[in-house]
Amino acid sequence: GAGVSQSPSNKVTEKGKDVELRCDPISGHTALYWYRQRLGQGLEFLIYFQGNSAPDKSGLPSDRFSAERTGESVSTLTIQRTQQEDSAVYLCASSLDTTYRYEQYFGPGTRLTVT
Amino acid sequence: SQQGEEDPQALSIQEGENATMNCSYKTSINNLQWYRQNSGRGLVHLILIRSNEREKHSGRLRVTLDTSKKSSSLLITASRAADTASYFCATDARGSNYKLTFGKGTLLTVNP
Repeated sequence: GAGVSQSPSNKVTEKGKDVELRCDPISGHTALYWYRQRLGQGLEFLIYFQGNSAPDKSGLPSDRFSAERTGESVSTLTIQRTQQEDSAVYLCASSLDTTYRYEQYFGPGTRLTVT
Repeated sequence: SQQGEEDPQALSIQEGENATMNCSYKTSINNLQWYRQNSGRGLVHLILIRSNEREKHSGRLRVTLDTSKKSSSLLITASRAADTASYFCATDARGSNYKLTFGKGTLLTVNP
């Protein structure tokens, strides 16, 4: 079946503007994760959704970052008043559940450039 | 701070040779996973090893885990040019079985 998809694949925005990134997880996957990857670095955990439970937002770097998820489907990550340090690849992943199988399936990412 | 740290940061080998990458971590874990990333985009899951396992195989991949040393290694045998990618280890700490912590990765280049 289809994998995790993300849109847009690339986004260039001016400093101070808001951006919205979208993630479509694999159908049936109850868990969804957002990560940020700066150039040459590993992945930083941002936020996690599991079913109808309250999301774990502990990785969000500032209150300019927020994310929503509609049920067990699409998620959007919103960055308000973007800064140059927000430039990175934003990766979304989904997994079947978190109590038995931990494999996360990643989307291709959105490359965000803040000028 | 990052949980997993890969070593070396970069590795260049000839096709057919074996490649070994290492990962060290700091806290007790439930599982350790290895992922591959091509061209800085989406990651592909390679293999998961549980904390009570010592070795696992998948095709040309062999992963070992030494919980006493808090380290893992990924061996790719008979490497191919298509194996060129960045390789990351990711751990989930005990009590947090969903939040993966990634290292900075090893950039593997396999020369034809």
